[in-house]
Amino acid sequence: GQSLEQPSEVTAVEGAIVQINCTYQTSGFYGLSWYQQHDGGAPTFLSYNALDGLEETGRFSSFLSRSDSYGYLLLQELQMKDSASYFCAVSPPTDSWGKLQFGAGTQVVVTP
Amino acid sequence: DVKVTQSSRYLVKRTGEKVFLECVQDMDHENMFWYRQDPGLGLRLIYFSYDVKMKEKGDIPEGYSVSREKKERFSLILESASTNQTSMYLCASRQGDRDTEAFFGQGTRLTVV
Repeated sequence: GQSLEQPSEVTAVEGAIVQINCTYQTSGFYGLSWYQQHDGGAPTFLSYNALDGLEETGRFSSFLSRSDSYGYLLLQELQMKDSASYFCAVSPPTDSWGKLQFGAGTQVVVTP
Repeated sequence: DVKVTQSSRYLVKRTGEKVFLECVQDMDHENMFWYRQDPGLGLRLIYFSYDVKMKEKGDIPEGYSVSREKKERFSLILESASTNQTSMYLCASRQGDRDTEAFFGQGTRLTVV
């Protein structure tokens, strides 16, 4: 199967910037997605990178480099409510291309 | 509003029982998924369905089967529940592929005793 690697935990203070890296060993996928999950909640979609480069959505940005098999999610101006798990995900090649596989997730802990 | 509904939030079953987890989506999505989530292991794909009656194994299909008789409904079946299947089960759906986002249900916390 696919292999998506993320750090298990990152801790930072309010107002700081956090970068969550996602490295993968696959070829032929469409793009990289990011999801956020608060404790006890369902994962929710944050962003998608189809092409190499940076995509910005408010305080969150996501980056993809296919040549480096690498992407990251950047959380800026951290707030307490950003404490959550963050997952990268790809759609690997299958008959339908609809399959979606996730990394193990990164727990972000924001401290006052 | 988009909705993925899982039939139970909490479930307790005995070892050896046949267990059905139901998931319904109201968005007419083609693709539906079953994941299990365990601490430190993230979301692991059990099965995926890309159309009615069509399915594909995920990374951990052993001990599970699925059924998709109607587009809106995707069922996960544990033929003979075991204690190592105690976990959080998440259902998701999405339209097409590529950049479409997946929508998740609230999850079913299954305990097998």
